Amino acid sequence: GAVVSQHPSRVICKSGTSVKIECRSLDFQATTMFWYRQFPKQSLMLMATSNEGSKATYEQGVEKDKFLINHASLTLSTLTVTSAHPEDSSFYICSASSVSGANVLTFGAGSRLTVL
Amino acid sequence: EDKVVQSPLSLVVHEGDTVTLNCSYEVTNFRSLLWYKQEKKAPTFLFMLTSSGIEKKSGRLSSILDKKELFSILNITATQTGDSAVYLCAVDSHKGGKLIFGQGTELSVKP
Repeated sequence: GAVVSQHPSRVICKSGTSVKIECRSLDFQATTMFWYRQFPKQSLMLMATSNEGSKATYEQGVEKDKFLINHASLTLSTLTVTSAHPEDSSFYICSASSVSGANVLTFGAGSRLTVL
Repeated sequence: EDKVVQSPLSLVVHEGDTVTLNCSYEVTNFRSLLWYKQEKKAPTFLFMLTSSGIEKKSGRLSSILDKKELFSILNITATQTGDSAVYLCAVDSHKGGKLIFGQGTELSVKP
């Protein structure tokens, strides 16, 4: 089945630094990937839609300059949290659809970011 | 505003019990409803429902959609401790592939 690999699974950083999270589709090409954020005991909140070869589409309230998304190839999207602050600590999950025209998303394993 | 609401938010049962999880939605341009199971990490896909009244079944899990009343249920029979997880309902509303997730139901199955 379709596999989405996300790295790193855990990262701890100091306030003010930047952190990059990678999301790869391992056995399929994904022109679109989605980045979600999940706070403890809460559901998945869509942050942005990452489009290969073009700019990402951000959801309302998500700062595009803070959460930089790059989708340079059909198998890789990256999310960079710039100048991270403790309130950015969260679980970030990427996803992609391996089935054209359907929206059965395959999720990465997620990345838990802790900003000290 | 599109929204998906799940109930209950949490549920504790004993092994062997049968549970029913609920998901109601209000979205424009409904395309499909999906159920996911989330254990410690990423959600894993369970079912995708597009038509009313057609039950999808996988082992002890089954799900059905009612597009008139705008809800879906997920049933788990003969629950096992391995069923403990958060169950997420999501709706695809034809908006560029984005899914709208409910809050999830946290199921805990006790031995």
